[in-house]
Amino acid sequence: AQSVTQLGSHVSVSEGALVLLRCNYSSSVPPYLFWYVQYPNQGLQLLLKYTTGATLVKGINGFEAEFKKSETSFHLTKPSAHMSDAAEYFCAVSRNSGNTPLVFGKGTRLSVIA
Amino acid sequence: EAGVTQSPTHLIKTRGQQATLRCSPISGHTSVYWYQQALGLGLQFLLWYDEGEERNRGNFPPRFSGRQFPNYSSELNVNALELEDSALYLCATRDRPGLGYNEQFFGPGTRLTVL
Repeated sequence: AQSVTQLGSHVSVSEGALVLLRCNYSSSVPPYLFWYVQYPNQGLQLLLKYTTGATLVKGINGFEAEFKKSETSFHLTKPSAHMSDAAEYFCAVSRNSGNTPLVFGKGTRLSVIA
Repeated sequence: EAGVTQSPTHLIKTRGQQATLRCSPISGHTSVYWYQQALGLGLQFLLWYDEGEERNRGNFPPRFSGRQFPNYSSELNVNALELEDSALYLCATRDRPGLGYNEQFFGPGTRLTVL
């Protein structure tokens, strides 16, 4: 079975500060890993994904994440937070068969303080 | 290109009633996934339809059901509504399997409130 743990249900950073959202996963098979963002009253938007290849993945809006197999982690970072980054962020995992449903973490709400 | 659409945007029902939620996929997408986002419970997988067949279901009671139509749109039905069914229901669609990974694209969701 697969599972995802997001450390911290709420993270608050100052504008311009580093954003670090933590995600650890459990998977018995090589995983596909994702970060999604959800703005208020909207659906989910894919920020970035890791499937195979390079372990440092760059996504939209300046976000990136690094797949660390030894640590079973896929933390999301952004060097400089912007007010528009305030949203809910979800880490997700699926098996690498490609069609399986996503298993989500419980989400981390990011607040950006001016 | 139009994205995934869901209707209605909001739905208010009372306990014991039935709710029907609809999802229209991106053109060419054949797989539909339904997820429930309930307060405090995060996003949980409900149902997966592909080429008109139910492929998998999550840990939900049988009163949650659905179907996929020949045009690949989908319907989620929730019978005998309970208060805890109040949630945002998200639909995601995906293209046919091919080389590499096909992303799931999410709709804006239907907010179901059970009174």
